[in-house]
Amino acid sequence: QSALTQPRSVSGSPGQSVTLSCTGTSSDVGNYNYVSWYQLHPGKAPKLLIYDVTKRPSGVPDRFSGSKSGNTASLTISGLQAEDEADYYCCSYAGNFHVVFGGGTKLTVL
Amino acid sequence: QVQLQESGPGLVKPSQTLSLTCTVSGDSISSGRYYWSWIRQPAGKGLERIGRIHTSGSTTYNPSLKSRVTISVDTSKNQFCLKVNSVTAADTAVYYCAVGLGDFGNWFDPWGQGTLVTVSS
Repeated sequence: QSALTQPRSVSGSPGQSVTLSCTGTSSDVGNYNYVSWYQLHPGKAPKLLIYDVTKRPSGVPDRFSGSKSGNTASLTISGLQAEDEADYYCCSYAGNFHVVFGGGTKLTVL
Repeated sequence: QVQLQESGPGLVKPSQTLSLTCTVSGDSISSGRYYWSWIRQPAGKGLERIGRIHTSGSTTYNPSLKSRVTISVDTSKNQFCLKVNSVTAADTAVYYCAVGLGDFGNWFDPWGQGTLVTVSS
């Protein structure tokens, strides 16, 4: 299983929207609606933002939304805030109870 | 709600065995609702799921680590454990325990804070 492909870095200004991409294959992202997204701040427990492509756990602001087209999943953050500066990882089910993560995207809020 | 806390040595010598414990609070590890998972992040690299165990005893390991990894559950202590044999510098990473949810344990919530394990002589 190869890691999902995420851009190394993305940046945006406060109030703007940014979209983070996550590209896999027809064996993972393209074959299952089981993509999840995580936010990692240094020294803190990773936080689940999105699961099953579009579902948002309670407590996660609706500024965070997920989507998928073909082999590429996306996380959109609208109304960017300073505290959104973090690393973001996608994850997809890959069959046979296996999952694969992306390499992560560092989001910088300018 | 469920809370997780990793514990174990922060330094392991090459060729030895890395052993970590995840203590679960807020629910019984025997509840059968979750997949108890270990995930790691080497410095400067992405996340990698090491494996997971269900209280039924069913395990799934990352194929790249399968020959060296064992995950087990200690229901009496409400803990689950990770052992990685024959470690090298490539096993240096922050290790997280997490609850796997969904039909296949394919999404993770919550996570522990993580513990850094360094492999060095």
